[in-house]
Amino acid sequence: NAGVMQNPRHLVRRRGQEARLRCSPMKGHSHVYWYRQLPEEGLKFMVYLQKENIIDESGMPKERFSAEFPKEGPSILRIQQVVRGDSAAYFCASSPTADNSPLHFGNGTRLTVT
Amino acid sequence: KNEVEQSPQNLTAQEGEFITINCSYSVGISALHWLQQHPGGGIVSLFMLSSGKKKHGRLIATINIQEKHSSLHITASHPRDSAVYICAASNNNDMRFGAGTRLTVKP
Repeated sequence: NAGVMQNPRHLVRRRGQEARLRCSPMKGHSHVYWYRQLPEEGLKFMVYLQKENIIDESGMPKERFSAEFPKEGPSILRIQQVVRGDSAAYFCASSPTADNSPLHFGNGTRLTVT
Repeated sequence: KNEVEQSPQNLTAQEGEFITINCSYSVGISALHWLQQHPGGGIVSLFMLSSGKKKHGRLIATINIQEKHSSLHITASHPRDSAVYICAASNNNDMRFGAGTRLTVKP
């Protein structure tokens, strides 16, 4: 029973390129959350998705960032035209239901923008 | 002022010591979470509680809803407990995180 799988573990992009971060939730989990941890800062909520639906994207920057969780396949966090300030660790978590189920976290993707 | 405040920010202890990390929150919550972030960066959920006290091995978490305060205790600390401990207050889908407490346990 694999846990939450995130890939890649490390991602290096030049300014202006696109970054795609993938998250496969635990088996049976249909709720996915993305969080960002900037260097030397705490975790911040970005977006909450259920299968094929974005439920809450209030923590996600309005431009360049998008997220999806298709019917089949992993959830994707996409950052277009990356800038140095996007360098951070991006964590995904999943839960089986929405009502205060414990979260299971992935190991994160460390994005470095050069 | 942050909505979730943790103290101390950094904590160094000798192996075997009893450790307490505190968390105060100012938002309404449906649950309070304690997370552990290992030096390699991975995050593990330790506790989720909405009242009272929970125990898992050498770890104990308590919450006082009226005072909006939670504590994480580690008994008989060990160097492998060295990590960043994060308190998070959730209200349904909305989760607010503390800045974390960096614990170092020396042998």
